[in-house]
Amino acid sequence: AQTVTQSQPEMSVQEAETVTLSCTYDTSENNYYLFWYKQPPSRQMILVIRQEAYKQQNATENRFSVNFQKAAKSFSLKISDSQLGDTAMYFCAFQGGSEKLVFGKGMKLTVNP
Amino acid sequence: EAGVTQSPTHLIKTRGQQATLRCSPISGHTSVYWYQQALGLGLQFLLWYDEGEERNRGNFPPRFSGRQFPNYSSELNVNALELEDSALYLCASSLEIGTGRTEAFFGQGTRLTVV
Repeated sequence: AQTVTQSQPEMSVQEAETVTLSCTYDTSENNYYLFWYKQPPSRQMILVIRQEAYKQQNATENRFSVNFQKAAKSFSLKISDSQLGDTAMYFCAFQGGSEKLVFGKGMKLTVNP
Repeated sequence: EAGVTQSPTHLIKTRGQQATLRCSPISGHTSVYWYQQALGLGLQFLLWYDEGEERNRGNFPPRFSGRQFPNYSSELNVNALELEDSALYLCASSLEIGTGRTEAFFGQGTRLTVV
């Protein structure tokens, strides 16, 4: 069974700084997708960024980028120029052949003014 | 375009009762996923429906059940409610496209409280 681990339960950062959220996963599959979702206090889960395992190039989406290390089964999220609106729970997720999304336990990020 | 909608927003039930939660996917999406988000446990996969059939099920007892209707909306039923069923229940929908499946889009959830 696939597992997703987020070892940092909570982080805080100052506005405009850069922060990196870590995620590791375990799978025997070769083709899969990895995601970072954001859940602000409004509870709405929002997709931040998506990475296909067969693509070597790391995905980027404006201030958000990932460091995907397939051999190490690592998928970290880097947030540049942090903004107050980035304050939220962040979940790393894996989607393989079974097509169900498996989530990590999440990490609470607080951006301070 | 309307997103995934869930109803009710909040639900309070007593132990032993039944709860019914509803989800309307994004128009055109055929897959619906249900997740339980209990405090400190992340999102636990409950059920996945696609084209009206149950495709996958998480590690939950049989008193958690559901169905998907011809219009792709879905219901989650929880029978014989227990206190530990108190959680946020999230529904998500996705669409299969030529190269695979789109990412899941989530609703705002139903907060179920069992007293």
